[in-house]
This record gives sequence, structure tokens and C-alpha cells, in this order.
Amino acid sequence: QVQLQESGPGLVKPSETLSLTCTVSGDSMTNYYWTWIRQTPGKGLQWIGYVYSTGATRYNPSLMSRVVISVDTSKNQFSLRLTSIIPADTAVYFCARAWGLEGATVPNVFDNWGQGTLVTVSS
Amino acid sequence: SYELNQPPSVPVSPGQRARITCSGDKLREKFVSWYQQRPGQSPVVVIYQDTERPSGIPERFSGSNSGNTATLTISGTQAVDEADYYCQAWDSGSGSYVFGTGTKVTVL
Repeated sequence: QVQLQESGPGLVKPSETLSLTCTVSGDSMTNYYWTWIRQTPGKGLQWIGYVYSTGATRYNPSLMSRVVISVDTSKNQFSLRLTSIIPADTAVYFCARAWGLEGATVPNVFDNWGQGTLVTVSS
Repeated sequence: SYELNQPPSVPVSPGQRARITCSGDKLREKFVSWYQQRPGQSPVVVIYQDTERPSGIPERFSGSNSGNTATLTISGTQAVDEADYYCQAWDSGSGSYVFGTGTKVTVL
């Protein structure tokens, strides 16, 4: 059973860069999409983006200008960088694994999630 | 932007059927997944690709998708099913995954 664990700072100052890492254990990272999703009480669940095991990425258009997601399969990790942080970025950040039907252009299910990490944006 | 709308709450008595709806424009043309989130926990997929149930998910969970509405049905609801439920789909128009507004299932 694959397990995912987020790590990173719980407090970030406005205008700084948020960096989170997700460590994957129990399965290979190959042929899966590795995803970041966040959750706030006001806006619910929001998909941030994903990186395929080859390094190809896709981002939420509303966050694209501030997001970079990368993968290091040798370390079984993938990472999120979110720049120019604002208070509205305060959320619980989840990492998750996604996959789709063979031949599909995008994955259609997030089948394993980390426990989530709370990130608060405050000076 | 594409939206998926769910009722805020669905009350159900133990042993009864709970139906949770998810409405979106031409939703039938998209694959819908459903996630269960218990308080303080991360979401768990209970239905994917409209009707498929992952291994380990009880048979009382089933899904359908027709027209503009997808439905998650819990047959013979148990106290352990009390949770928030979210639908999710990929919207090619906006190039983004969209989650529903969430429904709190309360077992009376």
C-alpha cells in the first residue's frame, strides 16, 4: 500500500515562497501522476497541479503563474513551490497520487492521499 | 469557470439509503469520482469513473452519472459513513480538476 507524507514549514510570511515536499513509500513512482491539492474552509478543495513520473507537469490555470511542481524519483519525492504567498494561500495542503485509464490524456482519480499539512500565511 | 454543486447536508437514518447529488453542465460527458472525508482525516476515494468502486470500499457505495447530475448512493447507511463527501471531475474547458462544494452526511 503506497503511503504519502507531506513535510515543510507550517508558517510562511506574506510575499515569501512556500516549499513543501511529499515523500512516497510502498510503491514505485513510475507511471503515476503526483499531485498537490489544498483545502480551505471557504473555498473547499482546490487542485493545484501535478507532475508525471517523467517530469511533465500540468497546473491549475488560476495558480499557474506562481506554481512549480517537480519530481525526484531517485529520492521517491515530489515537491511544491508556491511563490508570492498571500494570506488566502492559508490552507491544508495534501499530496496525492493520481492515475487514469490507459490512453487517457489526464488522470481521473486521486487514489491515495497524504495526511495533509496546515500552512498558515502570516507575518 | 466550471462548477459542481452539491447539497450542503443530507440527513439519513441508520440502515436507510442516502443519495448525494452533484450537478454540473453536461456532467455526463465527464468521469466523476467521489471522496469521503471524515473529520480530521484526508479524503478517500469511494467511487471513480462514475461507477467503479476501489478495492476495500464496501458494496453499499455506488455511483451513477446521467445528464447534468452524478449521484453517490449509500445503501444501508451506517454510523461510520457519517462524513463529508465531495464529487470531482476534470474540466477540459478550463484545463483544471474541479471539486464539488461538499455534502455533509449526518446519520441520525
